[in-house]
Amino acid sequence: AQSVTQPDIHITVSEGASLELRCNYSYGATPYLFWYVQSPGQGLQLLLKYFSGDTLVQGIKGFEAEFKRSQSSFNLRKPSVHWSDAAEYFCAVALSGYALNFGKGTSLLVTP
Amino acid sequence: EAGVTQFPSHSVIEKGQTVTLRCDPISGHDNLYWYRRVMGKEIKFLLHFVKESKQDESGMPNNRFLAERTGGTYSTLKVQPAELEDSGVYFCASSQDRRDTNYGYTFGSGTRLTVV
Repeated sequence: AQSVTQPDIHITVSEGASLELRCNYSYGATPYLFWYVQSPGQGLQLLLKYFSGDTLVQGIKGFEAEFKRSQSSFNLRKPSVHWSDAAEYFCAVALSGYALNFGKGTSLLVTP
Repeated sequence: EAGVTQFPSHSVIEKGQTVTLRCDPISGHDNLYWYRRVMGKEIKFLLHFVKESKQDESGMPNNRFLAERTGGTYSTLKVQPAELEDSGVYFCASSQDRRDTNYGYTFGSGTRLTVV
């Protein structure tokens, strides 16, 4: 079945530490890939997206993600986390249409 | 530019009652989408409007849900009668052009619906 998996429901990191959020997808073809973030009281905000080309994608707020076709993964990374990065992060995919298929989300807690 | 606005931000209703959620998209955006996140589950696509026409309502869970988009502007999503399993966060998003391969969606902050 087609699915998007975010294995980590909650992640806690110290401020200044590096971050990696995992995302795997199960689709027959390579879909379009996205990472969204939702801060408390805010809407979903697009961090970055991958359609084709360079497999390392740069996004907003210092985030990047790497597409690995062999692993069907699109992991999100940040070298140094700030307290304001505490939020919920969603990986999403789209095939040829417009509807996004989301993972269950990963909640990030940043400790001092 | 104003973003996508959703009303109310929270709603608590009793089982069997009716609730209407509203979404005001960004002005000029022809495409409007509804998504829902049930507690502990993924955010799921519900339906897609292009102007006032429903293009895809394949994600609507059942006939207790009715979405409308009057005059191609704001949209409402009515749940009648509400059931406990309808509880969740309902997101609205809009985009300028369906063929925009950049998937330039803008999401609202959602309506948290609790059915008790």
